[in-house]
Amino acid sequence: GQNIDQPTEMTATEGAIVQINCTYQTSGFNGLFWYQQHAGEAPTFLSYNVLDGLEEKGRFSSFLSRSKGYSYLLLKELQMKDSASYLCAVNGGFNDYKLSFGAGTTVTVRA
Amino acid sequence: GAGVSQSPSNKVTEKGKDVELRCDPISGHTALYWYRQSLGQGLEFLIYFQGNSAPDKSGLPSDRFSAERTGGSVSTLTIQRTQQEDSAVYLCASSPVGERLQALHFGNGTRLTVT
Repeated sequence: GQNIDQPTEMTATEGAIVQINCTYQTSGFNGLFWYQQHAGEAPTFLSYNVLDGLEEKGRFSSFLSRSKGYSYLLLKELQMKDSASYLCAVNGGFNDYKLSFGAGTTVTVRA
Repeated sequence: GAGVSQSPSNKVTEKGKDVELRCDPISGHTALYWYRQSLGQGLEFLIYFQGNSAPDKSGLPSDRFSAERTGGSVSTLTIQRTQQEDSAVYLCASSPVGERLQALHFGNGTRLTVT
């Protein structure tokens, strides 16, 4: 089975940095995805990691350590519009074409 | 460009009734997924289609749930004899198929309320 853990809630100030951690225990591994979901809307793709290291995309970066079963999403220069739920999802192997999702981390950005 | 389209956006039904939820994926996407999201819960996988066949139905919670896909395009998720615990947002996603799983493109979902 798949076990994916992330914090339930985080709060940060506009302009600051927030790091959302995700740990996973899966039967296999073929990539980790981060999605953003605003309330009442569809999840939208943010980033993908399959090799160890940091992937940077503008204000958002994602890191992966496969040996530790660990990833984080880093949000820099926070803006009010970044208030949303952030979902960590893992693909569990070569014969697995689905994503298994964590419960999501709700980030609230305060002025 | 059209994204993934789901209908209806909201559905209220009485316990015991059957419901059908529709998903129209992005044109050319051969992979189609159904997930559901309950309040405060993560996305729960239901079923995966590759073309018209469903190689992974492992997430369907009971035999009251079924899904089909026709013409490699539109999919319908049917819930028979609905129960209150079926209340959730049902999300459909599609993806092109390549050597590895690619990012899923989600629709806005159908919010199902069973009274």
